[in-house]
Amino acid sequence: QSVLTQPPSVSGAPGQTVTISCTGSSTNIGARYGVHWYQQLPGSAPKLLIYSNTNRPSGVPDRFSGSKSGTSGSLVITGLQAEDDGVYYCQSYDPSLTDSVFGGGTKLTVL
Amino acid sequence: EVQLLESGGGLVQPGGSLRLSCAASGLSLSTNAMSWVRQAPGKGPEWVSVIATNGYSTYYADSAKGRFTISRDTSKNTLYLQMNSLRAEDTAVYYCAKFLEWPNYYFEYWGQGTLVTVSS
Repeated sequence: QSVLTQPPSVSGAPGQTVTISCTGSSTNIGARYGVHWYQQLPGSAPKLLIYSNTNRPSGVPDRFSGSKSGTSGSLVITGLQAEDDGVYYCQSYDPSLTDSVFGGGTKLTVL
Repeated sequence: EVQLLESGGGLVQPGGSLRLSCAASGLSLSTNAMSWVRQAPGKGPEWVSVIATNGYSTYYADSAKGRFTISRDTSKNTLYLQMNSLRAEDTAVYYCAKFLEWPNYYFEYWGQGTLVTVSS
């Protein structure tokens, strides 16, 4: 049972838009700690996709965007492409638990 | 370009020990916090340990406390994780990652990982 809750799977056709949610609590996301997102493609290490709720590292396409509200965060992917197929994890900080905490991951399938 | 290269994984019996290494290039361990994050087969990532920029402050997940020790050698620009009293549930791919401290708390760069298998 992960501290942060994500839907197990989402899917969409090429060109469509999908949203992945990440629900936390008052001790992590709701306590004003940032929500961060990672993309893990098959056979690869996780890669930082969005940091501190809304920021994209250099090189990440602007098709990826993030937001945060209350105790939840969201990752939106527009203009889906085949290479987006993979698993997406959210992460935050929770000093009441084991510090950095991750969601269980959402498998994105591009149809 | 930042590169993190882990090594030292392998098959070890329950109760055994292993030391993981992470050679860094493109960033200096003396001016960055670093961490170990593991991922069990089919599971999400799990934070294991952090060593702060100052090199003295270290933090551990409950699952690692008392058994794992994180350290660094700035002359070699290498991060280590000494793992003792290994259990089957420690089986995972172990990644080293550059960690952004307060107020950010996220993992900016990741290595490719090294697999640790604890089994008799």
